[in-house]
Amino acid sequence: DVKVTQSSRYLVKRTGEKVFLECVQDMDHENMFWYRQDPGLGLRLIYFSYDVKMKEKGDIPEGYSVSREKKERFSLILESASTNQTSMYLCASSKDRTFSGANVLTFGAGSRLTVL
Amino acid sequence: RKEVEQDPGPFNVPEGATVAFNCTYSNSASQSFFWYRQDCRKEPKLLMSVYSSGNEDGRFTAQLNRASQYISLLIRDSKLSDSATYLCVVNLRYGGSQGNLIFGKGTKLSVKP
Repeated sequence: DVKVTQSSRYLVKRTGEKVFLECVQDMDHENMFWYRQDPGLGLRLIYFSYDVKMKEKGDIPEGYSVSREKKERFSLILESASTNQTSMYLCASSKDRTFSGANVLTFGAGSRLTVL
Repeated sequence: RKEVEQDPGPFNVPEGATVAFNCTYSNSASQSFFWYRQDCRKEPKLLMSVYSSGNEDGRFTAQLNRASQYISLLIRDSKLSDSATYLCVVNLRYGGSQGNLIFGKGTKLSVKP
């Protein structure tokens, strides 16, 4: 089974702090994704990466950046955290983006971030 | 019209009941479809893919109606452990290009004793 591991399950940060959320997958997947999930808004794509050092903006990239220096690791960075970034952050990976057959999206357990 | 729409529920049903959820999608270029299950404060997990001919996995049956642009999930003989939020996911893919997953906001199911 694919394993997607997010390093922090719960974080509490203060406004203006820099926040790093780390994600590692162990199945040599090409694609990695960062979503946030908020009540009533569902899952929204922040950024994704289809290769090392490559990144693409999702639907809500403002206030976030990402880093993919190694294939297995995809980091989400909040340069200056704000209270409206309090959310559940979900990392996911997939072999490719055809999403056909057995190639599906697999999520990590999530990182619940609170910004005070 | 929203790209993927689901009734948010909650659907409150007794154990043993049969319950069905629908999900409508707006883009006819949608090529593959999935149901994910998400337990409270946990990550979404794939429940089943939805095939054109319909497919069944134990008590769960998924169907696709391309003409009317909706997919459905039927759960028979509901168990307490089926209580969760069910996310409808649609893959938009034009020709041979890479896909783009669109998530519905989920339908909440609560199975009562």
